[in-house]
Amino acid sequence: GQQVMQIPQYQHVQEGEDFTTYCNSSTTLSNIQWYKQRPGGHPVFLIQLVKSGEVKKQKRLTFQFGEAKKNSSLHITATQTTDVGTYFCAPVTGANNLFFGTGTRLTVIP
Amino acid sequence: NAGVTQTPKFQVLKTGQSMTLQCAQDMNHEYMSWYRQDPGMGLRLIHYSVGAGITDQGEVPNGYNVSRSTTEDFPLRLLSAAPSQTSVYFCASSLTQNTEAFFGQGTRLTVV
Repeated sequence: GQQVMQIPQYQHVQEGEDFTTYCNSSTTLSNIQWYKQRPGGHPVFLIQLVKSGEVKKQKRLTFQFGEAKKNSSLHITATQTTDVGTYFCAPVTGANNLFFGTGTRLTVIP
Repeated sequence: NAGVTQTPKFQVLKTGQSMTLQCAQDMNHEYMSWYRQDPGMGLRLIHYSVGAGITDQGEVPNGYNVSRSTTEDFPLRLLSAAPSQTSVYFCASSLTQNTEAFFGQGTRLTVV
């Protein structure tokens, strides 16, 4: 499989603070996907990034794909308790299968 | 649309027992896959299928078998359960190998 590092592994924030998770690959990616898994739930697709330097926003979530297409980030502005869960990146190289990073578990303290 | 349906939700097995985890999707997706999720390990690919009659191994295939006789169904068989197979198992389907994946609710398996 690919060499993928996702950091941090855990993050505790006060409600209203911002949060960022990073995904770094050792190889150039064709695209990258992000998923969210609520505690006790299943992964749910959030977004796919394809282009170099791409930035996409979903309300308070901002997704970025690096210029070299080797890294990506997910930033949440003003976290809410509904943001609790584990965020996974799923980098893709060529026509390969979907492999997942180890995830960042976000806890939001009210 | 039910999406991806997995059964059972929970299962306890004794070491050496065999069982089949069921997965069905109603989205006419060609690609289906099985993952296991262990604490701190993320999701690891066990087996996958790019279409009916075609299956292949993922990262951690040992101890598991799959078959794909129809587009809709992709069962995962544990041949002789071991405690190391205690995990949460997710089935997923998608249009192609690296497009948006839709996950089932998961099966929490404990092997004692």
